[in-house]
Amino acid sequence: AQSVAQPEDQVNVAEGNPLTVKCTYSVSGNPYLFWYVQYPNRGLQFLLKYITGDNLVKGSYGFEAEFNKSQTSFHLKKPSALVSDSALYFCAVRFRWGNGQNFVFGPGTRLSVLP
Amino acid sequence: DGGITQSPKYLFRKEGQNVTLSCEQNLNHDAMYWYRQDPGQGLRLIYYSQIVNDFQKGDIAEGYSVSREKKESFPLTVTSAQKNPTAFYLCASSHSGDSYEQYFGPGTRLTVT
Repeated sequence: AQSVAQPEDQVNVAEGNPLTVKCTYSVSGNPYLFWYVQYPNRGLQFLLKYITGDNLVKGSYGFEAEFNKSQTSFHLKKPSALVSDSALYFCAVRFRWGNGQNFVFGPGTRLSVLP
Repeated sequence: DGGITQSPKYLFRKEGQNVTLSCEQNLNHDAMYWYRQDPGQGLRLIYYSQIVNDFQKGDIAEGYSVSREKKESFPLTVTSAQKNPTAFYLCASSHSGDSYEQYFGPGTRLTVT
């Protein structure tokens, strides 16, 4: 079965420090991996994705993620955190389902950036 | 929130009533999805549709129904059979194909008392 794990419910970092939000996955075949961010009472916003190629993917708002096939991980990173980065972050994997594709999401990690 | 609209933003209903949540997209996406999000939890898939006039049950379809008569629209009905309907409901859409991300609407918060 396809699954996504985010081992940390909560991550706290000081403003200006680097941040990492962890994600591991289990999927048959080639993984297509995504990160989304959710602000309170809003829908999810797409940050970045890994499809193929370079293992380091750059996305919106200065975020990047590193794909590691041997560790089946896709950790989200940012060199210098901002207070405005505080939000709920979801990792997701896309996979074949029936005649099309579908997504499974991790449980989410709440990021708090402290001033 | 891209080109997806959900209405209303807040919805209140009495127990035993059916209620329909609207989702419209102008992104020309073939695929559309409905998710449920409970406080402090991730997203759970209710229904999805890869093409007009076709839809499939997700992980928690019981007590819900959908239709996909137009490419742009994917309404979700929460029926009285749904035991715990109070939640935040998110609609999403995407192009078909492995590499495409989903775009999400702003969500509808449904409260049933």
